[in-house]
Amino acid sequence: GAVVSQHPSRVICKSGTSVKIECRSLDFQATTMFWYRQFPKQSLMLMATSNEGSKATYEQGVEKDKFLINHASLTLSTLTVTSAHPEDSSFYICSASDGYGYTFGSGTRLTVV
Amino acid sequence: AQKITQTQPGMFVQEKEAVTLDCTYDTSDQSYGLFWYKQPSSGEMIFLIYQGSYDEQNATEGRYSLNFQKARKSANLVISASQLGDSAMYFCAMRGGIQGAQKLVFGQGTRLTINP
Repeated sequence: GAVVSQHPSRVICKSGTSVKIECRSLDFQATTMFWYRQFPKQSLMLMATSNEGSKATYEQGVEKDKFLINHASLTLSTLTVTSAHPEDSSFYICSASDGYGYTFGSGTRLTVV
Repeated sequence: AQKITQTQPGMFVQEKEAVTLDCTYDTSDQSYGLFWYKQPSSGEMIFLIYQGSYDEQNATEGRYSLNFQKARKSANLVISASQLGDSAMYFCAMRGGIQGAQKLVFGQGTRLTINP
């Protein structure tokens, strides 16, 4: 079946630093990648949608300069949290689609101290 | 706009019993897709079952079945013969259109606990 590898699974960073999260589709071409954020005991909140080679489309209220998304190839998309602050601590999860189904990464738990 | 509503924050069921998790949706689209995902404590999202709006038969996948009532706009998940490993968060989600990489809209989720 389709597999999406997401790294790192956990990261702790200092306030003010940047963190990059990678999602790779291992056995299919991900024409579209979705990035979600999930707070404890809450649902997944879509942050942005990216298509390979195009600029990401951000959901209302999501700061595009803070959450940089790059989807340079059909198998790799990255989310960079810039100048992270404690309120950015959360669970981030990607989902890749080839136009038919959706395959989720295993998620990244970010803690900003 | 699309909306998914899951009204059961938590469900407690005895092992081996069947359980129904409720999901209602609202959309103005004629064609759409409905998904159910399981999220264990590890955080991964596990795809369980899919129902297209034009599918006449209710979807089934092993112990999972989807009770699709289009007129009522409901898509309840039925888990038969529950197991301890079924304890997890369950999310209902909708996609506008029956294909294409459109975004998924998720419900609030239901935490299912299976008691031995």
